[in-house]
Amino acid sequence: DGGITQSPKYLFRKEGQNVTLSCEQNLNHDAMYWYRQDPGQGLRLIYYSQIVNDFQKGDIAEGYSVSREKKESFPLTVTSAQKNPTAFYLCASSIIAGVAGELFFGEGSRLTVL
Amino acid sequence: GENVEQHPSTLSVQEGDSAVIKCTYSDSASNYFPWYKQELGKRPQLIIDIRSNVGEKKDQRIAVTLNKTAKHFSLHITETQPEDSAVYFCAASIAGSNTGNQFYFGTGTSLTVIP
Repeated sequence: DGGITQSPKYLFRKEGQNVTLSCEQNLNHDAMYWYRQDPGQGLRLIYYSQIVNDFQKGDIAEGYSVSREKKESFPLTVTSAQKNPTAFYLCASSIIAGVAGELFFGEGSRLTVL
Repeated sequence: GENVEQHPSTLSVQEGDSAVIKCTYSDSASNYFPWYKQELGKRPQLIIDIRSNVGEKKDQRIAVTLNKTAKHFSLHITETQPEDSAVYFCAASIAGSNTGNQFYFGTGTSLTVIP
């Protein structure tokens, strides 16, 4: 069953802790993305990657880090430097970097900082 | 960078009526404009898209129009049904740029279809 899998679906974190959100895809897509979704603000780009071992900052990268060691995987770490990390995080992928095409989204991870 | 504005933020229509959602973009280099539907608690899913070399595209009850000169594009849903109730996002993308395939999203429109 092809698609994008995000885990965990719900996550609670204490202030000062780093947390890593997993994103795996078996669609053989080149490009992967992380978005943050807050009420009334749409989807804001955190990081994206076009190819293994390469990634670029999006509009709100501060306090986040990513890696792209494998084509299938694009984990996002929310660090303690992120001032307001409580949000819904969406991972996405598209088939060919540099060519406009459909974004496929995972089901999201909801992070709550206690 | 690209800036996408979307209006209205909320929209209520009677079942069977039409719904129109409008978006504007700022970067004339944008060349791909998808629309996503996100039902409550679910992932966004593509419902229709349009490229800059086309002015209009239709898929059953859904249509999208693009005015490159004015830099705006619109989603039209006819004969609305309760299952059309969701949040709709527009986006603009510059494909093939050196910075990669970035998508810029509008802030969303919450559509409610009243039975």
